[in-house]
Amino acid sequence: AQSVAQPEDQVNVAEGNPLTVKCTYSVSGNPYLFWYVQYPNRGLQFLLKYITGDNLVKGSYGFEAEFNKSQTSFHLKKPSALVSDSALYFCAVRDFTGGGNKLTFGTGTQLKVEL
Amino acid sequence: DGGITQSPKYLFRKEGQNVTLSCEQNLNHDAMYWYRQDPGQGLRLIYYSQIVNDFQKGDIAEGYSVSREKKESFPLTVTSAQKNPTAFYLCASSSLGTSTGELFFGEGSRLTVL
Repeated sequence: AQSVAQPEDQVNVAEGNPLTVKCTYSVSGNPYLFWYVQYPNRGLQFLLKYITGDNLVKGSYGFEAEFNKSQTSFHLKKPSALVSDSALYFCAVRDFTGGGNKLTFGTGTQLKVEL
Repeated sequence: DGGITQSPKYLFRKEGQNVTLSCEQNLNHDAMYWYRQDPGQGLRLIYYSQIVNDFQKGDIAEGYSVSREKKESFPLTVTSAQKNPTAFYLCASSSLGTSTGELFFGEGSRLTVL
């Protein structure tokens, strides 16, 4: 079965500092990996995805993610954090069983950016 | 604007009552999904549908039912058999075929059972 793990429940970073939100995956075959962001009482917004190609994927709002096959990781990064980046971040992997584009999500990481 | 509309945003019900959450999309997507979100557990798949009049159970389908009579609509009924229905429910859709699979989400419905 496809799965992702987000080892940190919360990440705290000062505004202007770089941020990293970690994700590791376990799949059979080639992974399709995604990052989403959720603000309080809102739906999820798509940030970026890795399907194939360049290991560094650029997405919305200045976020990027690095795919590392040997470490089975897909960490989300941003060079300079903003207070407005404070939100809940989810890593997800596509589940190919049974058809459709089902995604299996991690448990989420709460990012808090402080002044 | 194209998107996914969920209603109601907030819903309060007494134990033992069935409730139906609405989900409508105008993105012309083939597939639709229902996820449940609980604090610290991420999102868990309840049901999904790839085509009208067909749907499949996800990981936590017990106590829920769905229908897909129109491409645009995928309502979720939370039945009295669901033991712990208080949660945030998210509807999503995606295209199929050559799509690489990102899901588009609605704004969610928060159900509280009193």
